[in-house]
Amino acid sequence: GDSVTQMEGPVTLSEEAFLTINCTYTATGYPSLFWYVQYPGEGLQLLLKATKADDKGSNKGFEATYRKETTSFHLEKGSVQVSDSAVYFCALKLRGAQKLVFGQGTRLTINP
Amino acid sequence: EAQVTQNPRYLITVTGKKLTVTCSQNMNHEYMSWYRQDPGLGLRQIYYSMNVEVTDKGDVPEGYKVSRKEKRNFPLILESPSPNQTSLYFCASSLSVGTDQPQHFGDGTRLSIL
Repeated sequence: GDSVTQMEGPVTLSEEAFLTINCTYTATGYPSLFWYVQYPGEGLQLLLKATKADDKGSNKGFEATYRKETTSFHLEKGSVQVSDSAVYFCALKLRGAQKLVFGQGTRLTINP
Repeated sequence: EAQVTQNPRYLITVTGKKLTVTCSQNMNHEYMSWYRQDPGLGLRQIYYSMNVEVTDKGDVPEGYKVSRKEKRNFPLILESPSPNQTSLYFCASSLSVGTDQPQHFGDGTRLSIL
């Protein structure tokens, strides 16, 4: 079945460090890919998305490129801030499907 | 302000006592969905609704019911809650089921079933 695998957390970094959170997927069709972020006590918010191969989604300094050849959608940020501390979810959605398929989430903590 | 509103935010209750978690959206979205979030498992879909009076099972529907009598509301009903339904629940909505339509999430309801 369709699935998303994220790197194990938690991830702890210092402020201004470079961030990568790995995400790979398995899909029977041609999915759209998403990163959602969940701040403490809140629901999930869409961070960025990509709908076709080689698309790059970007928002708030975060980027992810849809790599069909490696079935990956890794999240990157060049210089993280304390306010980036949250849980990050990678997800896919197939055309015509009714649901998002989520990875298990990666908790990120940024220390000042 | 566009939002998805869930109530209650927190609930502690006992096995077998029927409960309802309400979900309301003010964006005139057709599609609504319920997920549960458990550690190490991410979010899993419980039920979804394509439009009024149209609902269907997701991946983990056992022990839950839903209804969609109005476009804006999509309550989640636990007729006889059990401890394995202790979880964090999220309601979500989107304009339609188009591939790249973003889903808007509520702030979550933390249920503890004793």
